[in-house]
Amino acid sequence: EAGVAQSPRYKIIEKRQSVAFWCNPISGHATLYWYQQILGQGPKLLIQFQNNGVVDDSQLPKDRFSAERLKGVDSTLKIQPAKLEDSAVYLCASSLGGTGDFAAFFGQGTRLTVV
Amino acid sequence: SQQGEEDPQALSIQEGENATMNCSYKTSINNLQWYRQNSGRGLVHLILIRSNEREKHSGRLRVTLDTSKKSSSLLITASRAADTASYFCALETSGSRLTFGEGTQLTVNP
Repeated sequence: EAGVAQSPRYKIIEKRQSVAFWCNPISGHATLYWYQQILGQGPKLLIQFQNNGVVDDSQLPKDRFSAERLKGVDSTLKIQPAKLEDSAVYLCASSLGGTGDFAAFFGQGTRLTVV
Repeated sequence: SQQGEEDPQALSIQEGENATMNCSYKTSINNLQWYRQNSGRGLVHLILIRSNEREKHSGRLRVTLDTSKKSSSLLITASRAADTASYFCALETSGSRLTFGEGTQLTVNP
């Protein structure tokens, strides 16, 4: 079974520029998560989708971050404009979701450097 | 807070020894999961323990959960150099929300 695909793997941008990350979850997985992981810290949940609906975006900085999951499959996360403190690895994960106890499967992440 | 807190932050042991990491939390959970992250890589799911379970095994891994104390422990027996990684506990709460702690950095010396 194919894993969670993310692109690009690396991105370097200047502050105030915009950037977008793409995630293709495992086929059939209803739940999709985006996490931000700053070096030396644990992953911080930014947004969670169930199919194409947002379940939790309480920690998403909505003035600059946006995310969508059209058709309940792949997803994009955008930052506009970027700040230096946005430098981090952005991780996408998916799970079967719904009722039940399911593990999350992670992509390799996108490492963003804002200069 | 809906995230777990791992203890210790860092652990260094010799190959063949056992490694124990702990996770404490404050909220109600559906289940608790442990993940491993090798440097620069994505997270890999290790084991899941449901809120009504007390102990679970998988290979060299043993997880315990005490919901009355809101704590869990991960034991890795007979550690290997390849076990060197960061280990995170993750809490699944209502709506399949999954939040992570800050992790324990395990170093296994050959």
